[in-house]
Amino acid sequence: DAKTTQPPSMDCAEGRAANLPCNHSTISGNEYVYWYRQIHSQGPQYIIHGLKNNETNEMASLIITEDRKSSTLILPHATLRDTAVYYCIVRVAGGLRTSYDKVIFGPGTSLSVIP
Amino acid sequence: KAGVTQTPRYLIKTRGQQVTLSCSPISGHRSVSWYQQTPGQGLQFLFEYFSETQRNKGNFPGRFSGRQFSNSRSEMNVSTLELGDSALYLCASSFHPGQGVTGELFFGEGSRLTVL
Repeated sequence: DAKTTQPPSMDCAEGRAANLPCNHSTISGNEYVYWYRQIHSQGPQYIIHGLKNNETNEMASLIITEDRKSSTLILPHATLRDTAVYYCIVRVAGGLRTSYDKVIFGPGTSLSVIP
Repeated sequence: KAGVTQTPRYLIKTRGQQVTLSCSPISGHRSVSWYQQTPGQGLQFLFEYFSETQRNKGNFPGRFSGRQFSNSRSEMNVSTLELGDSALYLCASSFHPGQGVTGELFFGEGSRLTVL
């Protein structure tokens, strides 16, 4: 089962900020939060990731709560091209390890940006 | 630099046949993982390869298999195709997590398989 839960769908007005929530209450201390998006019929695209600090890149910002049990992806000025399914996943990353985790995707959030 | 390349992009097979899909990872990436995506089940993990060894496997029957070559290119094979195998098959590459990088996945555009 997926380690994350997300709302199935959201709407956002073009030009406004889109805030996509994700719950990951069972996250382990060495697991990062990753966000991907998939535009129809294309491969998923990496957006951003973080461990415990807030992160920002040219695409989005990631806000992780202090207890790390939830996070929010923020698209500051949504455009029609941001209409996609957004996936939040958690996985171990970095450092040496002897086992490899299965990357489990949930159903994601279908974001519709409205003109 | 070039992204993840999957071939073929589209293919049609009939029940009982077998199919082989190919994935060329981003240059320097050593880990390749495969996913099946269907409208009903979403994105499901098939397996992950690193250094020519399968490191993890999802809950799929033995008809689904894969391998990785010394140049990190990977293939997956589905034998005795069933109608339910119709799906988008996605490949993703990444650096080896043990090298201290942060493990983001880079996906190809997928191979869309239709089984008639």
